[in-house]
Amino acid sequence: NAGVMQNPRHLVRRRGQEARLRCSPMKGHSHVYWYRQLPEEGLKFMVYLQKENIIDESGMPKERFSAEFPKEGPSILRIQQVVRGDSAAYFCASSPTSGLSDTQYFGPGTRLTVL
Amino acid sequence: GQNIDQPTEMTATEGAIVQINCTYQTSGFNGLFWYQQHAGEAPTFLSYNVLDGLEEKGRFSSFLSRSKGYSYLLLKELQMKDSASYLCAVSNAGKSTFGDGTTLTVKP
Repeated sequence: NAGVMQNPRHLVRRRGQEARLRCSPMKGHSHVYWYRQLPEEGLKFMVYLQKENIIDESGMPKERFSAEFPKEGPSILRIQQVVRGDSAAYFCASSPTSGLSDTQYFGPGTRLTVL
Repeated sequence: GQNIDQPTEMTATEGAIVQINCTYQTSGFNGLFWYQQHAGEAPTFLSYNVLDGLEEKGRFSSFLSRSKGYSYLLLKELQMKDSASYLCAVSNAGKSTFGDGTTLTVKP
């Protein structure tokens, strides 16, 4: 019973490049959440998606960041024109049903380093 | 707005008991979660409270008082492997707001 999958686990980009982070939720889960964690800090909510819908993107920076969860395939977090301040661990989590109070199961994270 | 407070660091001795407190002020509440996170790893679920009272699960227990906006995580019979960061999170309409975590160091 595979857990939440994220790839790549480590990603290095130069300033100005694009970063694409992928997340495959647990089987049977239709809700996906993205969080960012800076070194020595807590998790910060970015976006909550269901299949083909963005439910809450209140934590997403207004520019350069976008997320999708298509009908088929993984959820994608895209960061355009990366800057050094984007270096962080990006965690994806999934939950099975309405999401109101369901436990979120986390993937191993993608550690983005911007040179 | 959402505000969640927990101590930054705690130290305890192997075999002892430690209580990690969390206070919250949030605009909505659907439950409170505790997660454990070892350095460089993903958070793992420990407990969930939606009603007032104590939830016990092995060596770990979690308490919630909704009227006081307060929760604690109690760890008994501490082991060295319990050294980790412990995250308190409040769920509201599907979105979880996390505290900055409490780094627990267990010493022999």
